[in-house]
Amino acid sequence: GQQVMQIPQYQHVQEGEDFTTYCNSSTTLSNIQWYKQRPGGHPVFLIQLVKSGEVKKQKRLTFQFGEAKKNSSLHITATQTTDVGTYFCAGRSNYKLTFGKGTLLTVNP
Amino acid sequence: DSGVTQTPKHLITATGQRVTLRCSPRSGDLSVYWYQQSLDQGLQFLIQYYNGEERAKGNILERFSAQQFPDLHSELNLSSLELGDSALYFCASSVSGQGGTDTQYFGPGTRLTVL
Repeated sequence: GQQVMQIPQYQHVQEGEDFTTYCNSSTTLSNIQWYKQRPGGHPVFLIQLVKSGEVKKQKRLTFQFGEAKKNSSLHITATQTTDVGTYFCAGRSNYKLTFGKGTLLTVNP
Repeated sequence: DSGVTQTPKHLITATGQRVTLRCSPRSGDLSVYWYQQSLDQGLQFLIQYYNGEERAKGNILERFSAQQFPDLHSELNLSSLELGDSALYFCASSVSGQGGTDTQYFGPGTRLTVL
């Protein structure tokens, strides 16, 4: 079945440093979504990428979808303590959305 | 607040028991999804219902079942509970769920503890 691998599992940074999490699918995806889950909270939708090679920005967050539509990345520039949480990618194939295991980001002020 | 409600917030029960988790989707959303989140397995998709019918099945055990009612709320039934079923159970809803570009909105979750 479809598998979505996400690395790293954990990332600890100093406030102001950059952060990147990577997502790889075993199959070609129709689209990919990114979610953020704060500690003790529920996943919250951030963005969706649909087109091959697509790049989208949300303030300090940059999302990319690979040319082959099998990988994606989320880059945060100049992290802040409010960025703390687990970032999940979720790849869609047919009707099913498969989540990666997430990257837990902690930020040292 | 996503607009998705789940009850109860917490549930503590014993092995071998049966529990029912309830979810009300956002107003206007036709699809409901159930997920199990545990520390070692991450977010596991269990099952999706669209307008009352089962749409997609994930890693759902035979001891688990779900349904979506005419008013679109959904229930997840977990029976013959085992210690390993202890987890956070999320419900999510989306407008259509017919593939494409649907965004899922997650509820606050139900934390199940099996003792």
